[in-house]
Amino acid sequence: ETGVTQSPTHLIKTRGQQVTLRCSSQSGHNTVSWYQQALGQGPQFIFQYYREEENGRGNFPPRFSGLQFPNYSSELNVNALELDDSALYLCASSLLAGGRETQYFGPGTRLLVL
Amino acid sequence: QKEVEQDPGPLSVPEGAIVSLNCTYSNSAFQYFMWYRQYSRKGPELLMYTYSSGNKEDGRFTAQVDKSSKYISLFIRDSQPSDSATYLCAMREYSGAGSYQLTFGKGTKLSVIP
Repeated sequence: ETGVTQSPTHLIKTRGQQVTLRCSSQSGHNTVSWYQQALGQGPQFIFQYYREEENGRGNFPPRFSGLQFPNYSSELNVNALELDDSALYLCASSLLAGGRETQYFGPGTRLLVL
Repeated sequence: QKEVEQDPGPLSVPEGAIVSLNCTYSNSAFQYFMWYRQYSRKGPELLMYTYSSGNKEDGRFTAQVDKSSKYISLFIRDSQPSDSATYLCAMREYSGAGSYQLTFGKGTKLSVIP
């Protein structure tokens, strides 16, 4: 177990709706990253937060947004859901320290958009 | 051409066999290399983390990095049915102050037959 938890485990939404996914980081970690994993694909980087600031973003549109809270928990928000947003959403927490950083993943939230 | 190429398999081997999993990459800036194991409907679990070229061993697992050929490998000795999972290679650039995004391969699905 990595100590990273995510909620909910599964979610079904319809096209056009909005969704919020939550992540609780491993104790002591100051960085959280979010990834999207489509069926049969590797995870794709969405964005990363370090000390409550967005620290990098992948090739995802602005309707994907996030927050990191002082206790290092995090949210991923997706507006105007599209069918292609159906995927496993993973968060990973890590501790930035001197250039060496290892990301530990949670179990993921499986989102289905109908 | 994708930044990271990984044969998705599936790969099926008998119990006790030596398994070889490989990834190639095109981005010379990648400096950190990881292998994750992902069981069905679970998040990725870190197996191996390497920085420099050469071999790193941990129990039945050996990770090999050849930066000159832009090629990384994971070897599993004495494979067990419990090794049946999808194996993801991941890599990232060194980034002093920027984000630490991981770039993943598609994953290779491995089945170890008793």
